Amino acid sequence: SQQGEEDPQALSIQEGENATMNCSYKTSINNLQWYRQNSGRGLVHLILIRSNEREKHSGRLRVTLDTSKKSSSLLITASRAADTASYFCATDPSSNAGGTSYGKLTFGQGTILTVHP
Amino acid sequence: EAGVAQSPRYKIIEKRQSVAFWCNPISGHATLYWYQQILGQGPKLLIQFQNNGVVDDSQLPKDRFSAERLKGVDSTLKIQPAKLEDSAVYLCASSRPTSGGLGTKNIQYFGAGTRLSVL
Repeated sequence: SQQGEEDPQALSIQEGENATMNCSYKTSINNLQWYRQNSGRGLVHLILIRSNEREKHSGRLRVTLDTSKKSSSLLITASRAADTASYFCATDPSSNAGGTSYGKLTFGQGTILTVHP
Repeated sequence: EAGVAQSPRYKIIEKRQSVAFWCNPISGHATLYWYQQILGQGPKLLIQFQNNGVVDDSQLPKDRFSAERLKGVDSTLKIQPAKLEDSAVYLCASSRPTSGGLGTKNIQYFGAGTRLSVL
């Protein structure tokens, strides 16, 4: 089953604008990751934020995490046409001693971002 | 370093036929995953290997799906017999989890996938 729910399902913006995508999840996590998927391709890791972090930056990406609300957001600043893709959040659950959740990611449904030139 | 290799890229079969997908992970990655991604959805984990042992196959439809990872490197995923609802992209990913600070980081690297159409 999908743990994450992403909002919005689709987002259409003009080049240069900022894009914000949100992700909510249900269980305790070790970390949360964001991935990008271009049409017809595999997923590419963008950024990871640990459960004890609140904000993280990487280039034009800014991720926030609120563990009390079980939610995260991904902000892409100054978007480009090349940012057109689907974006997925993925949760890495808190590992249990001897449990099988170790390393298992659960992906959300994704947000389809279209950036118009 | 070379990425995750998958083949074939596309496969069209009729229902009740069998099909197999192949994956070669990144060298040195002990963990290998197979995902099913139905159009418009996120990837769903089918099976996870640690070296050549199965860690999690709770969402693998074992009556028709099977997977193996011989010698802890390459892996194959088989469907026999295929159903219409198996039409999807099958993604392979690999990782080498790293520990440090708080918790373990498990970044996954994906292949391009195999797009399966069952007619």
